[in-house]
Amino acid sequence: DVKVTQSSRYLVKRTGEKVFLECVQDMDHENMFWYRQDPGLGLRLIYFSYDVKMKEKGDIPEGYSVSREKKERFSLILESASTNQTSMYLCASSAPGGATNEKLFFGSGTQLSVL
Amino acid sequence: DQQVKQNSPSLSVQEGRISILNCDYTNSMFDYFLWYKKYPAEGPTFLISISSIKDKNEDGRFTVFLNKSAKHLSLHIVPSQPGDSAVYFCAASGNNQGGKLIFGQGTELSVKP
Repeated sequence: DVKVTQSSRYLVKRTGEKVFLECVQDMDHENMFWYRQDPGLGLRLIYFSYDVKMKEKGDIPEGYSVSREKKERFSLILESASTNQTSMYLCASSAPGGATNEKLFFGSGTQLSVL
Repeated sequence: DQQVKQNSPSLSVQEGRISILNCDYTNSMFDYFLWYKKYPAEGPTFLISISSIKDKNEDGRFTVFLNKSAKHLSLHIVPSQPGDSAVYFCAASGNNQGGKLIFGQGTELSVKP
């Protein structure tokens, strides 16, 4: 089974702090994604990556950056955390090519609270 | 602009009855649709999918129907069980989306014993 591991289940940070959310997958997937989940808004794509060192903006990239130095690891960075970034953050991965590349495997999520 | 919409935030169904969850989309370029199920404090898990070349896909108690002309899909769960209580997300993908999934807002299903 694919395993996507997010380093923290819960995080509490202060406004203005730099925050790192880490995600590791063990299935050699090329594609990795960061989503945030908010009530009434569903899952919204922040950033994604199709290869090492490569990144693409999603629908809501403002206030975030990412890093993909190794194939298995995709990090989400909040440069200066703000209260409106309080959310559930979900990392996902998928294999490239064909109809199955759209099938995402998600981690358990990180509930981030910014005070 | 919400390209994938789930207009019912919640749904309550009696155990043993049918649950029908609905999803509408606006982008005619979407050609692959998926349903995910999410329990609290867990990540979403893949449930069932359908390609735009089909109008129905069935997997056990779960069936997804696609009506391309209406840009509408639905998930049927028969019979519903208390363990089906979760949030269900509809998602869509297409050639012009670069492999990304676009998700709806989710519908919280409650199956009562």
